[in-house]
Amino acid sequence: DQQVKQNSPSLSVQEGRISILNCDYTNSMFDYFLWYKKYPAEGPTFLISISSIKDKNEDGRFTVFLNKSAKHLSLHIVPSQPGDSAVYFCAASGAFSGNQFYFGTGTSLTVIP
Amino acid sequence: EAQVTQNPRYLITVTGKKLTVTCSQNMNHEYMSWYRQDPGLGLRQIYYSMNVEATDKGDVPEGYKVSRKEKRNFPLILESPSPNQTSLYFCASSFWGGQTEAFFGQGTRLTVV
Repeated sequence: DQQVKQNSPSLSVQEGRISILNCDYTNSMFDYFLWYKKYPAEGPTFLISISSIKDKNEDGRFTVFLNKSAKHLSLHIVPSQPGDSAVYFCAASGAFSGNQFYFGTGTSLTVIP
Repeated sequence: EAQVTQNPRYLITVTGKKLTVTCSQNMNHEYMSWYRQDPGLGLRQIYYSMNVEATDKGDVPEGYKVSRKEKRNFPLILESPSPNQTSLYFCASSFWGGQTEAFFGQGTRLTVV
């Protein structure tokens, strides 16, 4: 059973606009969340993370929001650039899961110039 | 340069022929893990290791073996590969497990015929 879900397989956005990628999780015991970006023929690379004690974390153009009551997190990219076109994975872990990460299925973002 | 190196990048093999995919990291990380990526299923953890001689099953360990005899190396062994193990495999490492970012290798595309 998928504990971390990304319900949008793909998203297209115009350059300069905001990209919003969503992620839902089922287990309220998750307390650490990460976003990874993946280009074709490369491994995923870490983008940004957030602990459950926060509801927002910002790094340049990237902001992650966490809504614990809704078990939902989102990644905002502002402004979007063509180089942001990639597959984005969210991941979650928690003390209950030991050292195991659970990944979502990914969202393919295309930023149109 | 800090990196996780997997070999080979591409491999085609026949059912039942034992194979090993190597993984090495140069960051002195304690934690290493293996994932497989399949369409619609995202990244699923196969095995992970907290330290030398310490390995644990992830979500999909059946048909795989691992060993951690040295800190830097974490090979994935398929004793008797089957077509359902055709997938894209990633090795990852991090300082420790659940609450730190992971660094991924470039991936190994395995086809079992």
